[in-house]
Amino acid sequence: GESVGLHLPTLSVQEGDNSIINCAYSNSASDYFIWYKQESGKGPQFIIDIRSNMDKRQGQRVTVLLNKTVKHLSLQIAATQPGDSAVYFCAENGGSQGNLIFGKGTKLSVKP
Amino acid sequence: DTGVSQDPRHKITKRGQNVTFRCDPISEHNRLYWYRQTLGQGPEFLTYFQNEAQLEKSRLLSDRFSAERPKGSFSTLEIQRTEQGDSAMYLCASGRDRLFNGYTFGSGTRLTVV
Repeated sequence: GESVGLHLPTLSVQEGDNSIINCAYSNSASDYFIWYKQESGKGPQFIIDIRSNMDKRQGQRVTVLLNKTVKHLSLQIAATQPGDSAVYFCAENGGSQGNLIFGKGTKLSVKP
Repeated sequence: DTGVSQDPRHKITKRGQNVTFRCDPISEHNRLYWYRQTLGQGPEFLTYFQNEAQLEKSRLLSDRFSAERPKGSFSTLEIQRTEQGDSAMYLCASGRDRLFNGYTFGSGTRLTVV
């Protein structure tokens, strides 16, 4: 079936480096995508979103890139900090207005 | 605290027992969602409400699961005759209409069925 997936289950980076987390999606009806951060024992926390009519969107230290041609989404975190250590999920709406489809997640570890 | 509240945070129950979880959304949010998350996986959609109306249910929501939002405010999720496969984190989220970026999750209820 159609699903959201992630290329790498774990990512380890040095503090201060940039991080890139990738995500592949396969539902061509999806027109809205979100990145969430989930820390241990907490619910997912919204980071940044992007609609399908955009290729790039920037937030504070984060950038999301969307390549609709190859159905690929990425999250870039600039100057990664220890507080960025968490599991990151991409999610898509699958064309639905009622729910999100989540990928499996990438665990980001930041080494001091 | 003005976030989404879930109660209890943890629940351990014996197989076959019924359990009920509660979610209190952000007060001005008219949409309320239930998701289930197992270890190492992303959240899976179960159901959502707009005000008191249950608008969508996933096929994951078997007959043993029922959710209510009687007055369009708090919601309950009940699991009858629990099975070990029901062990998971049950997450609630609330939002305004279609504004996904206002979709705020609670910290979840962790259910362990023994």
